[in-house]
Amino acid sequence: GQQLNQSPQSMFIQEGEDVSMNCTSSSIFNTWLWYKQDPGEGPVLLIALYKAGELTSNGRLTAQFGITRKDSFLNISASIPSDVGIYFCAGLAGYALNFGKGTSLLVTP
Amino acid sequence: SAVISQKPSRDICQRGTSLTIQCQVDSQVTMMFWYRQQPGQSLTLIATANQGSEATYESGFVIDKFPISRPNLTFSTLTVSNMSPEDSSIYLCSVEDPAGPGGTQYFGPGTRLLVL
Repeated sequence: GQQLNQSPQSMFIQEGEDVSMNCTSSSIFNTWLWYKQDPGEGPVLLIALYKAGELTSNGRLTAQFGITRKDSFLNISASIPSDVGIYFCAGLAGYALNFGKGTSLLVTP
Repeated sequence: SAVISQKPSRDICQRGTSLTIQCQVDSQVTMMFWYRQQPGQSLTLIATANQGSEATYESGFVIDKFPISRPNLTFSTLTVSNMSPEDSSIYLCSVEDPAGPGGTQYFGPGTRLLVL
């Protein structure tokens, strides 16, 4: 699979702070997806992006599909303790999803 | 989105044995996928399972080690054969959203496998 570089690897923030994470690739993708995985669970889809330049929101989450189609970012505003988890970006090439290594988010009350 | 269940949710197995993992979807889907997530790692695609055809395996994965069945549009199984401790991972099935623009995948809860 193709390599996705996801950063930061981990974040430790206080409740109420905003969070930003991003993914970059050397390859072009037609779809970018962002997932959240809680301990003991499967990944849950947060946001799907299908077009270069697309900016999509889902509640306090906002994600953008980069113009070059090689990157995407996810922002979380006003974080709350239940935002804790691992966030994965994934780029679609053909039928196969290529995943980043994840960003581990810890939120303190 | 599709509702996906997996059985078993977790298991502890002895080396040399095999385990079959089941994936059930609440709607008919064309494409189903099997992923492995090693401890603390990201997800890696094992194979794509389409009903009525042989599974397509990714580089590094072979049918003898990970045989897959796809008997109908709502069900698939993955067998982890002749297990070793290196097979200890979370195994996840996913389905492509049939109603979406294409490419969006939804995941099951995973099967946590520990091989002793």
